[in-house]
Amino acid sequence: DAGVIQSPRHEVTEMGQEVTLRCKPISGHDYLFWYRQTMMRGLELLIYFNNNVPIDDSGMPEDRFSAKMPNASFSTLKIQPSEPRDSAVYFCASSFGHRSNQPQHFGDGTRLSIL
Amino acid sequence: RKEVEQDPGPFNVPEGATVAFNCTYSNSASQSFFWYRQDCRKEPKLLMSVYSSGNEDGRFTAQLNRASQYISLLIRDSKLSDSATYLCVVNIEYTGNQFYFGTGTSLTVIP
Repeated sequence: DAGVIQSPRHEVTEMGQEVTLRCKPISGHDYLFWYRQTMMRGLELLIYFNNNVPIDDSGMPEDRFSAKMPNASFSTLKIQPSEPRDSAVYFCASSFGHRSNQPQHFGDGTRLSIL
Repeated sequence: RKEVEQDPGPFNVPEGATVAFNCTYSNSASQSFFWYRQDCRKEPKLLMSVYSSGNEDGRFTAQLNRASQYISLLIRDSKLSDSATYLCVVNIEYTGNQFYFGTGTSLTVIP
């Protein structure tokens, strides 16, 4: 079975540029989560969706960050304009929320470097 | 107060040793519990769920103590390949299926 698929795997760009990260959750999962991980701050939840609807975006750092989920099989996280402090690994995860003990499954992550 | 607290370590143990990690959680409404493993520069991967009665998977044993609000992970006969960061995770479903991650405990198994 295909897991969570993220693209690109790596992104290097100059500050001020727009960055778009993509995620395809596991088919049938109704929750999708975006995380950011750095050495200093660890794993931080940015936003999560249930049935394509954003539930909690309180972790989104600022207005430069936006996320969408136009359908059950696709989500984007956009940073515009990007800054060097946005450099991190961004993970997408999905889960099935209708039974207990359903874990999150993570994608491989996108390693983002803003120069 | 953080939802999930873990000792960050690092734990450095010789091959064959037994090592235990503990994790405490603050919300008594927490419903599901997991241990994840994260290798350097990789994504977190589910190691095992933690059930109320405790559960075992080979060399790994997970325990849950709801009264004291902590979970534990015991690794027996440590292998070099067990070197990783172990993340404790709790899930609170009634608040919208929130998952709360600990900061992770670093384990290095030494030859």
